[in-house]
Amino acid sequence: AQSVTQLDSQVPVFEEAPVELRCNYSSSVSVYLFWYVQYPNQGLQLLLKYLSGSTLVKGINGFEAEFNKSQTSFHLRKPSVHISDTAEYFCAVKEVGNNRKLIWGLGTSLAVNP
Amino acid sequence: DAGVTQSPTHLIKTRGQQVTLRCSPKSGHDTVSWYQQALGQGPQFIFQYYEEEERQRGNFPDRFSGHQFPNYSSELNVNALLLGDSALYLCASSLVRSRANYGYTFGSGTRLTVV
Repeated sequence: AQSVTQLDSQVPVFEEAPVELRCNYSSSVSVYLFWYVQYPNQGLQLLLKYLSGSTLVKGINGFEAEFNKSQTSFHLRKPSVHISDTAEYFCAVKEVGNNRKLIWGLGTSLAVNP
Repeated sequence: DAGVTQSPTHLIKTRGQQVTLRCSPKSGHDTVSWYQQALGQGPQFIFQYYEEEERQRGNFPDRFSGHQFPNYSSELNVNALLLGDSALYLCASSLVRSRANYGYTFGSGTRLTVV
């Protein structure tokens, strides 16, 4: 069965510092990978997705993620965070060929401090 | 181009009551998925509708049911509400045949509180 593990439940960081939010997955088949952001009291917004091709994926708001098949990881990074990046970040996977449900991690709360 | 619209935004119900949540998908999308997100948790898949039929279901009891209309909009119904049903209910739409759109578009959700 598929599963997603976000290794850090909370990540505090100072403004303009780099950040990495870690995501590992397990699956017996190929998957598509996603990162979503959820601002307080809002729905989920797609940050970026990996479908195929280059393993380095660039998304919105200066975020990027790298797919590492051998380590089954899809870590999210940003070289310099802003206060406005404070939010909950979710990693999700979907089985290739199965346009059905997303499997979600439990989320990582990013707190950017001045 | 309107995104996913959910209504109402907030709702308070009493235990044992029934509730209906509504979702209008993004223009051009034909598939609607519903998720439950409890406080401090990731979203949990409830079910997905395509061509007015439930195509896949998560681990939710039969108290949770849904419907999709010919215009692709959808409803989520929950009967015999329990306190544990209190959560943010998210609707996500997608286009089933679009490889480029394998990421869903989410609405802002309906916050359901059961008292």
